[in-house]
Amino acid sequence: DAKTTQPNSMESNEEEPVHLPCNHSTISGTDYIHWYRQLPSQGPEYVIHGLTSNVNNRMASLAIAEDRKSSTLILHRATLRDAAVYYCILRDWAAGNKLTFGGGTRVLVKP
Amino acid sequence: DAGVTQSPTHLIKTRGQHVTLRCSPISGHKSVSWYQQVLGQGPQFIFQYYEKEERGRGNFPDRFSARQFPNYSSELNVNALLLGDSALYLCASSLTVRGDTGELFFGEGSRLTVL
Repeated sequence: DAKTTQPNSMESNEEEPVHLPCNHSTISGTDYIHWYRQLPSQGPEYVIHGLTSNVNNRMASLAIAEDRKSSTLILHRATLRDAAVYYCILRDWAAGNKLTFGGGTRVLVKP
Repeated sequence: DAGVTQSPTHLIKTRGQHVTLRCSPISGHKSVSWYQQVLGQGPQFIFQYYEKEERGRGNFPDRFSARQFPNYSSELNVNALLLGDSALYLCASSLTVRGDTGELFFGEGSRLTVL
């Protein structure tokens, strides 16, 4: 399985943007880039996913490098509720629901 | 609408015992997958079922088994429990098994403690 590399932790102030980087230099052409987050004492929650083009939804934006070897999840205005562990995951389109989670990035939001 | 429900939420077992964990997917979802999350680590894939057939298995010993029922609910069974099986067991459901679509919806998990 292709691997991803993320910083262990990041801090942000409330209502400021948060940029979460992810490196995936061994990504294959059929890998989609997925982001999930896990709030304390909860199961993971889907955030966003993309293949080549940047993506936006109500929760976040995903910026994908042109060579696809890295991506950045952008939380536009962090709230205290966004404090969670964020996982960047590569998911082959044919691999079903097997997600390979790494260590993720723990995001701390300060009021 | 109800999300993914898991039971029990917490349980304590002793080494050598057997445990059964249950999962009800979101209505209309035909795929269920199971993950193990040890404290401080990301979840690890155990099994995936789709339309009652096993579609994938992670790197877990044969002590772990699962099945999916006609109503798409699922059970995860673990035999001969070891201390290292202590973890949060997560169930996720989805409409499809395609990696290009279909977000996974996770339950809140069953926390197993083995003494």
